[in-house]
Amino acid sequence: DIQMTQSPSSLSASVGDRVTITCRASQTINSYLNWYQQKPGKAPRFLIYAASSLQSGVPSRFNGSGSGTDFTLTISSLQPEDFATYYCQQSYSNVWTFGQGTKVEMK
Amino acid sequence: QVHLVESGGGVVQPGRSLRLSCAASGFTFSTFSMHWVRQAPGKGLEWVAVMSDDGTQRYYADSVKGRFTISRDNSKNTLYLQMNSLRVQDTAVYYCARGGGATLDYWGQGTLLTVSS
Repeated sequence: DIQMTQSPSSLSASVGDRVTITCRASQTINSYLNWYQQKPGKAPRFLIYAASSLQSGVPSRFNGSGSGTDFTLTISSLQPEDFATYYCQQSYSNVWTFGQGTKVEMK
Repeated sequence: QVHLVESGGGVVQPGRSLRLSCAASGFTFSTFSMHWVRQAPGKGLEWVAVMSDDGTQRYYADSVKGRFTISRDNSKNTLYLQMNSLRVQDTAVYYCARGGGATLDYWGQGTLLTVSS
């Protein structure tokens, strides 16, 4: 199975900060990479598909990039509602896998 | 709007079986693949299984292969997960999610399964 590795596992940031999360696949996945946001006690929310395309309704401060094995999620100016855990997920193979998650906490 | 409601969770002893259900509404169920994803307490998301829109294709995570079976009834707009030989490590919130192309675009609120003696 394709392994997805996110870094960092957690980070502390302030409102207005630029935040970057990376995701690495154990083999090439082209651009079959999605990002999700999850808040405590809630179901995940779908943010970005095909590595860089924003789902409808997602604020433009969220940006995804990358292809092959290395991907990045950037939040250009962190807002209070963005404190959450973020997951990458590959859909290249028939067996899908998630990264372990990155928790964005308030500094 | 798309609505997914899971049910069937509860407390079960190791080695026993349980079936989860996911009732779908607000979209043409028979034209979308459907997935199960789980999350153990305090842990990350783990993809569990997928079934194609017509039910002809199914894939599983290694951790559940041979024990879990995904199925669907397109006439009832319902997805199922039959779970056999349950283990303590299967304890998790189980989410169903719609397969929007190569994504999981809508999620239910989840149902909690606790496997404990």
